[in-house]
Amino acid sequence: EVQLVESGGGLVQPGGSLRLSCAASGYSFASRWMDWVRQAPGKGLEWVANIKEDGSKTNYVDSVKGRFTISRDNARNSLYLQMNSLRVEDTAVYYCVRETWYFDLWGRGTLVTVSS
Amino acid sequence: EIVLTQSPGTLSLSPGERATLSCRASQSVSNNYLAWYQQKPGQAPRPLIYGASSRATGIPDRFSGSGSGTDFTLTISRLEPEDFAVYYCQQYGSSKTFGQGTKVEIK
Repeated sequence: EVQLVESGGGLVQPGGSLRLSCAASGYSFASRWMDWVRQAPGKGLEWVANIKEDGSKTNYVDSVKGRFTISRDNARNSLYLQMNSLRVEDTAVYYCVRETWYFDLWGRGTLVTVSS
Repeated sequence: EIVLTQSPGTLSLSPGERATLSCRASQSVSNNYLAWYQQKPGQAPRPLIYGASSRATGIPDRFSGSGSGTDFTLTISRLEPEDFAVYYCQQYGSSKTFGQGTKVEIK
């Protein structure tokens, strides 16, 4: 079955760190760009970051530059998001997404709550 | 950054009616790289349309997309009960941005 499964979400204090993981299965993971998209409670969708097939190029939304790092391990069919210096406004469901220009496959998401 | 503005914010319709959703971009979307997604409560978004007018895999033909440049439309020809949801447009021609969403609710 073609799917993406996120893990690693939870409650963290402002200024803290968290690492999200995404396990891909059922397709050739190494052949596709991968992205993270987030959705704050009751709000719309926001693209966060993406990474090229071989990991050689990454892009970020301005609000997370310098704090978040996207990476991948093609041998493990896994995508990661290292989140440092977390802020209350980073609270959201984080979706792992496969990119075929548009976002053609989504995981179910993992909730990150930043609160004291 | 390309800003996408969706209208209306909420659309109140009955099953069987036609729904017309608008997405306007602050500048031209290159190659008409515009997608539409459907999201139901507690679920991940589901891709409906890409390239402004191509249906994604498994999407019924009552969903259609049109438009070019800065003005795009998603049309649902006859609303089924399962179509009541929030719809987002997204451009992927210059980085990636989403519209704020249109909620289609039962009248």
